Amino acid sequence: EPEVTQTPSHQVTQMGQEVILRCVPISNHLYFYWYRQILGQKVEFLVSFYNNEISEKSEIFDDQFSVERPDGSNFTLKIRSTKLEDSAMYFCASSDPWEPQHFGDGTRLSIL
Amino acid sequence: AQSVTQLDSQVPVFEEAPVELRCNYSSSVSVYLFWYVQYPNQGLQLLLKYLSGSTLVKGINGFEAEFNKSQTSFHLRKPSVHISDTAEYFCAVSEDRGSTLGRLYFGRGTQLTVWP
Repeated sequence: EPEVTQTPSHQVTQMGQEVILRCVPISNHLYFYWYRQILGQKVEFLVSFYNNEISEKSEIFDDQFSVERPDGSNFTLKIRSTKLEDSAMYFCASSDPWEPQHFGDGTRLSIL
Repeated sequence: AQSVTQLDSQVPVFEEAPVELRCNYSSSVSVYLFWYVQYPNQGLQLLLKYLSGSTLVKGINGFEAEFNKSQTSFHLRKPSVHISDTAEYFCAVSEDRGSTLGRLYFGRGTQLTVWP
């Protein structure tokens, strides 16, 4: 069964550094998403992406964040100037129209 | 914005006992409902979905859920649990975005622990 893959599984970064989280969505899916889960809290929506542009974003997704689909297979989340509170598990998801989202195993981001 | 409430943060049960994990949502507009399961060190796996049609939906691993519009609930049930069902369960809600389902709103999750 096709799956969403995320790399790396764990990323440790110094506060203030930039980090790029990578995702390979399921081939032929059209909709892409990023969510995060801070330890002990809810899974929170960050952004959705369709047709090479952001279709929706939450209040969490400020100027510090950006997303990109640099080629036909990758979908990346960039966090500029990371803060301690960015430490979380970040999940990528993809879907077809009117179908449930399929999630990757996540990237655990630790900011020191 | 949607609000999803999972009333129980932890549910301990013995093997072969029935279980119900509760989920309530806030909006009265058309919604689409999901349960996801997360095993340790893994991502979120779709357990079942309600998009339309029969209010009783069946999912993988013997789970089922019932959509109750009047009570804005979507409780998850299994008649007999196994130790392998031990995991975190998330209820999620999505709304109509015209061309597709929208973003997911998640509950806080319920940790189901099955004891031998």
